[in-house]
Amino acid sequence: AQSVTQPDIHITVSEGASLELRCNYSYGATPYLFWYVQSPGQGLQLLLKYFSGDTLVQGIKGFEAEFKRSQSSFNLRKPSVHWSDAAEYFCAVGLYNQGGKLIFGQGTELSVKP
Amino acid sequence: NAGVTQTPKFQVLKTGQSMTLQCAQDMNHEYMSWYRQDPGMGLRLIHYSVGAGITDQGEVPNGYNVSRSTTEDFPLRLLSAAPSQTSVYFCATHEGSSYEQYFGPGTRLTVT
Repeated sequence: AQSVTQPDIHITVSEGASLELRCNYSYGATPYLFWYVQSPGQGLQLLLKYFSGDTLVQGIKGFEAEFKRSQSSFNLRKPSVHWSDAAEYFCAVGLYNQGGKLIFGQGTELSVKP
Repeated sequence: NAGVTQTPKFQVLKTGQSMTLQCAQDMNHEYMSWYRQDPGMGLRLIHYSVGAGITDQGEVPNGYNVSRSTTEDFPLRLLSAAPSQTSVYFCATHEGSSYEQYFGPGTRLTVT
């Protein structure tokens, strides 16, 4: 069965430090992969997506992610975190053979220390 | 363009009551979905639709009904609310050729 795992429930980083949020997926075909961000009390906003091609993808707000097929991973990175990045982050797999349904990970809550 | 709108923003129900969560989109997207978000569980798909008149079940469909009579609207019905349905509900849309989903602002539902 398809699944997405985000091993870290909560991460705290200092402002200006680098960030990496982990995501592993299980899917029998080439996945469509997404990272979404949710600020408190808000809906979800797309940060970036991977469909094919270059395995390093750039997104909004200075985020990037790298698809590693051999590790079934799609980790999110940012070189220097800002206080406004504090939010919850969700990784998702799009099932292209099932009408584009999304399977989400459990989410990682990011706190930023001043 | 409003994008994806959801009403109401907040709702409190008593066990056994019924209600409909509304979702509307003005993006002319074929696909629409309903998710529920619970702490520590991410978002789980309840029902989805690939076009007017066509719906299907997701991961957690029990206790919920949907219909899709127009491209724009995709209401979610709770026929007899239970405390286990206390959650935040999100509606989302996407085009058939793209799997990038656009989310509404959510409805926070409490069932007592």
